[in-house]
Amino acid sequence: DIQMTQSPSTLSTSVGDRVTITCRASQSVRTWLAWYQQKPGKAPNLLMYKASNLENGVPSRFSGSGSGTEFTLTISSLQPDDVATYYCQQYINYPWTFGQGTKVEI
Amino acid sequence: QVQLQESGPGLLKPSETLSLTCTVSGVSGDSINPFYWAWIRQSPGKEFEWIGNIYYSGSTNYNPSLKSRVTMSVDTSKNQVSLKLISVTAADTAVYYCARMAGASGAYARFWGQGTLVTVSS
Repeated sequence: DIQMTQSPSTLSTSVGDRVTITCRASQSVRTWLAWYQQKPGKAPNLLMYKASNLENGVPSRFSGSGSGTEFTLTISSLQPDDVATYYCQQYINYPWTFGQGTKVEI
Repeated sequence: QVQLQESGPGLLKPSETLSLTCTVSGVSGDSINPFYWAWIRQSPGKEFEWIGNIYYSGSTNYNPSLKSRVTMSVDTSKNQVSLKLISVTAADTAVYYCARMAGASGAYARFWGQGTLVTVSS
């Protein structure tokens, strides 16, 4: 299975800050990577697919980049509504696998 | 907007069979066809595990770690997707989500149900 590792595990930040979350794959996933946001007690919400494609309805302050084994999710100016845990997921090989999550706090 | 609703028992004893149903609803045209559907679970430690995908035609791909215990099925007449997991243990305690997948081969989860907590305890 492809292992996905996110860093940091927790990120303490402030409103208006630029936030960067990293996701590393144990082998190349090319750009077959998705990002999700999960708020407490809720189901995840798709933010990004194919590493850098913004899902419809997701604010443009979110962006994704990377290919191969290293990827980043960036929030250009953190808003209070962005407090959540963020997960990456690879889909180049079955079984699809997820990162362990990065909790963003204010 | 498509809506997914998981249902099934919330408490099981070890060795029992977990059976969950996901009912799909929404605006006209939101049905099982022609999509991939997945079951994904989230452990109490918050890690996600993809259980498997099923295409509306019934073809499946399962996580090898669970393959010997998992069966997924679709009922297009009822707009339902089902999950069966046999011989459960405490390690199967999790929130179980159904999801409508997108991308080739059902790659990523575009729509999620609210999830249902399943606890395995004697």
